Amino acid sequence: NAGVTQTPKFQVLKTGQSMTLQCAQDMNHEYMSWYRQDPGMGLRLIHYSVGAGITDQGEVPNGYNVSRSTTEDFPLRLLSAAPSQTSVYFCASSRDSGSSYNEQFFGPGTRLTVL
Amino acid sequence: GQQVMQIPQYQHVQEGEDFTTYCNSSTTLSNIQWYKQRPGGHPVFLIQLVKSGEVKKQKRLTFQFGEAKKNSSLHITATQTTDVGTYFCAALSGNTGKLIFGQGTTLQVKP
Repeated sequence: NAGVTQTPKFQVLKTGQSMTLQCAQDMNHEYMSWYRQDPGMGLRLIHYSVGAGITDQGEVPNGYNVSRSTTEDFPLRLLSAAPSQTSVYFCASSRDSGSSYNEQFFGPGTRLTVL
Repeated sequence: GQQVMQIPQYQHVQEGEDFTTYCNSSTTLSNIQWYKQRPGGHPVFLIQLVKSGEVKKQKRLTFQFGEAKKNSSLHITATQTTDVGTYFCAALSGNTGKLIFGQGTTLQVKP
């Protein structure tokens, strides 16, 4: 199994550009989520999904859209990039949500810079 | 919403010294997870605690869940340079399925 994969690894955008960060998992996990990591802020939840066709907002959803048309894929869309969205983005998945055991598997991350 | 506070933010220790990071919540937690992130890497799951007062050990690492299920700690005995990284606690937010992370404690170990 490849686990959780993310593309691209690095990206530089100009303010106002849009782009999609890709995330895929091959573990048949129901739960997937996106986090951003900024110095001193830890990991902040952007959006999450408890299954195909179901998404919900996390702690910092503004400026981001998600969809979950398949169990495997959970892309994150930046609608109009802003310098405040410069960050490292991690996608994660787990077998399910809210159960007594839901270890999160993280992808390698996408380092995004918005100029 | 659910908040999980983690302290300290940074800790520098001499190799061989002990290290502890603490995680606190104002509300009762259903469970708590701990992750380690090496510099430049991604978070990796260490352990999950579910029961009140639970204590689990992994070699030199000891994890505790408070009796009231509002706090947790990770203690490393006799740190080694391989322990360098950022340690995060994480907890489920109510019944929403959202997993909320603490701010993390970054550990530096001087050889």
